[in-house]
Amino acid sequence: AQTVTQSQPEMSVQEAETVTLSCTYDTSENNYYLFWYKQPPSRQMILVIRQEAYKQQNATENRFSVNFQKAAKSFSLKISDSQLGDTAMYFCAFIPIQGAQKLVFGQGTRLTINP
Amino acid sequence: NAGVTQTPKFRILKIGQSMTLQCAQDMNHNYMYWYRQDPGMGLKLIYYSVGAGITDKGEVPNGYNVSRSTTEDFPLRLELAAPSQTSVYFCASRSAAGGLYNEQFFGPGTRLTVL
Repeated sequence: AQTVTQSQPEMSVQEAETVTLSCTYDTSENNYYLFWYKQPPSRQMILVIRQEAYKQQNATENRFSVNFQKAAKSFSLKISDSQLGDTAMYFCAFIPIQGAQKLVFGQGTRLTINP
Repeated sequence: NAGVTQTPKFRILKIGQSMTLQCAQDMNHNYMYWYRQDPGMGLKLIYYSVGAGITDKGEVPNGYNVSRSTTEDFPLRLELAAPSQTSVYFCASRSAAGGLYNEQFFGPGTRLTVL
């Protein structure tokens, strides 16, 4: 069974600082995809960034980037120049290519950006 | 496009009552999912469907039933509601094109309380 672990229940930084959210996962699969989702107070789930396991290059989307370490089964999210609107719950998620189409989520990290 | 819509937004049930959570999408997506999110936790998959007439269990299916008679609709039925089913329920969908890399689009959620 696949599991996703986010070891930081809460984080807090000042506006404009850089923050890194941690995520580790456990799987015996070799091919899979990884995602970071943002959930603001509105509860809407918003895809932030995604990474294909067979790509060595780390994904980037504007101020968001990941550090994907396949051997260590680690997938951290870096938010640069943090903004007040980044305040939200962030979920790491995993989906294997083989088998059923099941997205597995971590427990989430509550990120607060302070003015 | 309205995307993924869910009704109702909020509902309070008494123990033993039944209800159906409605989910519809207008993006012609083959895959549809039901998740529950307990307080302070990530999302857990209840049921999913890969197309009309095809459904399968996820991680936490007990106490729920689903049907998929059309591409657009994927209702979730709760029979004999229990306090343990108090949660926020999210419906999601994605296109089959592009494989698992494709983003899952989430509805706004239904907050259910069972008293």
